[in-house]
Amino acid sequence: DIQMTQSPSTLSASVGDRITITCRASQSIGSRLAWFQQKPGKAPKVMIYKTSYLESGVPSRFSGSGSGTEFTLTISSLQPDDFASYYCQQYNSYPRTFGQGTMVEIK
Amino acid sequence: EGQLVQSGGGLVQSGGSLRLSCAASGFSVTNNYMTWIRQTPEKGLEWVSLLDSGGSAYYADSVTGRFTISRDNSKNTVFLHMDSLRADDTAVYFCAREHNSAAFDYWGQGTLVTVSS
Repeated sequence: DIQMTQSPSTLSASVGDRITITCRASQSIGSRLAWFQQKPGKAPKVMIYKTSYLESGVPSRFSGSGSGTEFTLTISSLQPDDFASYYCQQYNSYPRTFGQGTMVEIK
Repeated sequence: EGQLVQSGGGLVQSGGSLRLSCAASGFSVTNNYMTWIRQTPEKGLEWVSLLDSGGSAYYADSVTGRFTISRDNSKNTVFLHMDSLRADDTAVYFCAREHNSAAFDYWGQGTLVTVSS
């Protein structure tokens, strides 16, 4: 199985901050990576797929980059609605696997 | 716009069985890859099972031999039948569509399964 490792586990930030979350795969997954946002009691919501493609309706302050084994999610200017947990997920092979998550909290 | 609505779940004793349902609207489960994913605070998000458009089923090692994924085309619904439940199967279970072998774009609302020992 491909292991996905996210860092940091928790990120404290303020509205307007630029933040970056890192995701590393235990082997190359090309660009087959997605990012999800999850709020308490809700299902995850896909934000980015294929490393850098924004899902329809996702604000342009979100961006993704990387390839192979190292990937990043960046929020250019954090907004109140962005405080949530974020997960990366690889879809290069089965079983699909997720990172352990990054909680973005208000500083 | 697609939607997935889940039902089933609840409290069951260890060794018992439970069936989860996931009714789709806005697209056909027959033509898509349908997946079950579960989530716990300890393990996070864990892929459980996939039913592909050809009808082939795949399972995580942890549930192989105990869980069965199926679909009812007439009801446009996917099921997860869970047997021999264990305490470590306790989780919130989500159904999701894996679109074009890529990201999970539609998710159900989630349902809690609690297995008591």
